[in-house]
Amino acid sequence: AAGVIQSPRHLIKEKRETATLKCYPIPRHDTVYWYQQGPGQDPQFLISFYEKMQSDKGSIPDRFSAQQFSDYHSELNMSSLELGDSALYFCASSPMAGELFFGEGSRLTVL
Amino acid sequence: DAKTTQPNSMESNEEEPVHLPCNHSTISGTDYIHWYRQLPSQGPEYVIHGLTSNVNNRMASLAIAEDRKSSTLILHRATLRDAAVYYCILRDVRTSYDKVIFGPGTSLSVIP
Repeated sequence: AAGVIQSPRHLIKEKRETATLKCYPIPRHDTVYWYQQGPGQDPQFLISFYEKMQSDKGSIPDRFSAQQFSDYHSELNMSSLELGDSALYFCASSPMAGELFFGEGSRLTVL
Repeated sequence: DAKTTQPNSMESNEEEPVHLPCNHSTISGTDYIHWYRQLPSQGPEYVIHGLTSNVNNRMASLAIAEDRKSSTLILHRATLRDAAVYYCILRDVRTSYDKVIFGPGTSLSVIP
């Protein structure tokens, strides 16, 4: 069965650079979530989209933005990268009122 | 948001049952109880959910107290692969497309 696809799996950037992460949800799932997980921490909710509209927002820095496109894939854009942005970024999708299915994550390293 | 409280860590011997407790004394009538787990270096994984009645699936069982203020995730025979962080989460069925907040959960160690 198709799962949530995230790309790239690994990304290395310098401070002050920009990074874009992509997420392809499971077909027919109408909700997408983004999470950030630092070393030894729990996943922190960043933002979610329902039917291509932002549905909720968590502790997402102003330097970050996200959107969901007409084909339901989503992108997380991160600008002016800081060392503290180094983390695993997970995307999850779910059908309405259903459980979340997570991708394998994108590991961002900021040098 | 209704909050949950779980022990920071638990240990179990391999092939023995494990009971992971969760307290949610402020649960509302429209909150479902969800359990997820996260294995090392992987994304969280759905385990089970329920509203009022006890639930069973191939991964685990969920026992819900009659007053719904607590629940217990039961792994019937722990394996080494069950070593993970387990999260108990409440989701309001009326706003189920909204944020799902993780943690802190219970870190389960399985001893061979």
